[in-house]
Amino acid sequence: QKEVEQNSGPLSVPEGAIASLNCTYSDRGSQSFFWYRQYSGKSPELIMSIYSNGDKEDGRFTAQLNKASQYVSLLIRDSQPSDSATYLCAVNIGTGGGADGLTFGKGTHLIIQP
Amino acid sequence: DGGITQSPKYLFRKEGQNVTLSCEQNLNHDAMYWYRQDPGQGLRLIYYSQIVNDFQKGDIAEGYSVSREKKESFPLTVTSAQKNPTAFYLCASSIRGRAGGVGRNTEAFFGQGTRLTVV
Repeated sequence: QKEVEQNSGPLSVPEGAIASLNCTYSDRGSQSFFWYRQYSGKSPELIMSIYSNGDKEDGRFTAQLNKASQYVSLLIRDSQPSDSATYLCAVNIGTGGGADGLTFGKGTHLIIQP
Repeated sequence: DGGITQSPKYLFRKEGQNVTLSCEQNLNHDAMYWYRQDPGQGLRLIYYSQIVNDFQKGDIAEGYSVSREKKESFPLTVTSAQKNPTAFYLCASSIRGRAGGVGRNTEAFFGQGTRLTVV
């Protein structure tokens, strides 16, 4: 059974600080990793994707992947109140057996305090 | 503008009634997916389709049915056999399914969702 684990939070971070969100996954065959942002009552929005070990930066967002440790993280620099949302980690196991589609964690609720 | 359109935004179902949720995309994506989200929960996969005229069950397919007669459309029917249908339903699409490779081809983009309530 594929599993993706996240701390549900809430994670409270002061405005302007770095928010660090973490995710672990169980399937070593996983090949694609995604972070989605979901505002209350809205659908998820893709904000970062990462496919190889290391860091990937896009604006204030940095995704980090460590396949040996089965760990992926998202850093948000200079946090803004508009970053307050639930962040979903999603994993695709790539080619092989089992169902297609992404496996999602339950999400981390992030609160940026003004 | 390219995108994924779900309708209706809100839907109310009576006990014992079948209802159909619409999902249309104009992104020319091969793969389409239906997920269900319950309060405080992650998304769970109901059905997926990697190509026209083919679809597969996901983790929680019981009580649901789908069709994929056109590349652009992937409607979901919630049948009376689904005992707890109240949830937020999300349709997504990607360029390819897993069989088409990894990376950007498998990035999934979501419609705005349909909130289904049993009355």
